[in-house]
Amino acid sequence: QSALTQPASVSGSPGQSITISCTGTSSDVGGYDYVSWYQQYPGKAPRLMIYDVNSRPSGVSNRFSGSRSGNTASLTISGLQAEDEADYYCCSYTSSSPSLFGTGTKVTVL
Amino acid sequence: EVHLVESGGGLVRAGGSLRLSCAASGFTFSTYSMNWVRQAPGKGLEWVSSVSRSSDYIYYASSMKGRFTISRDNAKNSLYLQMNSLRAEDTAVYYCARDRGGIVGATYAFDIWGQGTMVTVSS
Repeated sequence: QSALTQPASVSGSPGQSITISCTGTSSDVGGYDYVSWYQQYPGKAPRLMIYDVNSRPSGVSNRFSGSRSGNTASLTISGLQAEDEADYYCCSYTSSSPSLFGTGTKVTVL
Repeated sequence: EVHLVESGGGLVRAGGSLRLSCAASGFTFSTYSMNWVRQAPGKGLEWVSSVSRSSDYIYYASSMKGRFTISRDNAKNSLYLQMNSLRAEDTAVYYCARDRGGIVGATYAFDIWGQGTMVTVSS
């Protein structure tokens, strides 16, 4: 099963908003409310940022928000900060497998 | 504090076997589904396998099915991954990760991760 599709890189200036897309199908992203997003710094374990498409765990800044339209989920980071520079991965439940990750997106703060 | 600590990684020849362990602490291990996720050097995350709270439901990614076996011992607060017939493409950091659902059931979101253990398969 192929990974969900994310842009390889997204960049923005401090204070701006950026959006990372995660494209799948009706058998995964579009069919279930189990879409999550993870932040990962180099050499570190991933951190859960969004679950159930648009819910935020306690401790995660409200600058991070999730949404979905059709078969594409999105992670928006508003008020971009230097500390947001990291890799981001989406993940979805699928009809054939409990979890499928996206290809990953490197966020660069200019 | 909630912790997951993996161990058992190392260097193994292609065709060999390795058993990874994940020790949990700071939470009621038996009430959470658990997962293994791996990351090849310089690559993205790949879900490997999951096991439900009482081991009633076990799932594998297609490329690992038949070669990897996930198990857990709730009395020892431990998760395991037995890896057989290892291939060079199995080289990766292996993370254990907790499903955030707890007694609600699996939610397919991973809220606690270990630091990972490196597995290197030489060809």
